Amino acid sequence: DVKVTQSSRYLVKRTGEKVFLECVQDMDHENMFWYRQDPGLGLRLIYFSYDVKMKEKGDIPEGYSVSREKKERFSLILESASTNQTSMYLCASSASPGYYNEQFFGPGTRLTVL
Amino acid sequence: GENVEQHPSTLSVQEGDSAVIKCTYSDSASNYFPWYKQELGKRPQLIIDIRSNVGEKKDQRIAVTLNKTAKHFSLHITETQPEDSAVYFCAAFHSGSARQLTFGSGTQLTVLP
Repeated sequence: DVKVTQSSRYLVKRTGEKVFLECVQDMDHENMFWYRQDPGLGLRLIYFSYDVKMKEKGDIPEGYSVSREKKERFSLILESASTNQTSMYLCASSASPGYYNEQFFGPGTRLTVL
Repeated sequence: GENVEQHPSTLSVQEGDSAVIKCTYSDSASNYFPWYKQELGKRPQLIIDIRSNVGEKKDQRIAVTLNKTAKHFSLHITETQPEDSAVYFCAAFHSGSARQLTFGSGTQLTVLP
């Protein structure tokens, strides 16, 4: 059974804190993605990775960074959290080549920045 | 980059009626169009997809149509049931250097009993 897990379902942080969101997949997928979901804006791509130690910017990378040291793990980092980063964060993975393959999503992390 | 517009943002139908959700895309190089369904509190899941060399695809009560000339694609759900209530997202893949899916803003479908 396909499985993408995220480290937390709910997270509350304070402005200026460094925040780590972790995603793990057990399907040996090459591709991993981080999205942000906001009402009325759909799913917006923050960063993605097609291989270990590789990363590419999506549509809204500002204020975020990522790390992929192992194939199964993709971390999203908020260097200095701000209130406008309060959102639902979804991780996804897909098999190579990625573009014609289904993306499998994690359950999401609802982050609140106070 | 690619831009995907999705309409309507909310849609209410009576159980048994049909529902249609429409999307337009801007990049003529886009060639893969998936639809995802997200039930309340759950993760998005793929329900159907279509490639640019196909005009229509059906899977039981759901179908997707694609008009490449107009850069327009639609999701059709027939004989709607309460379990069809969810948020539906369309997406377009563009095979240029970005190689990413761009999602529409979502449609909240409510099927009234």
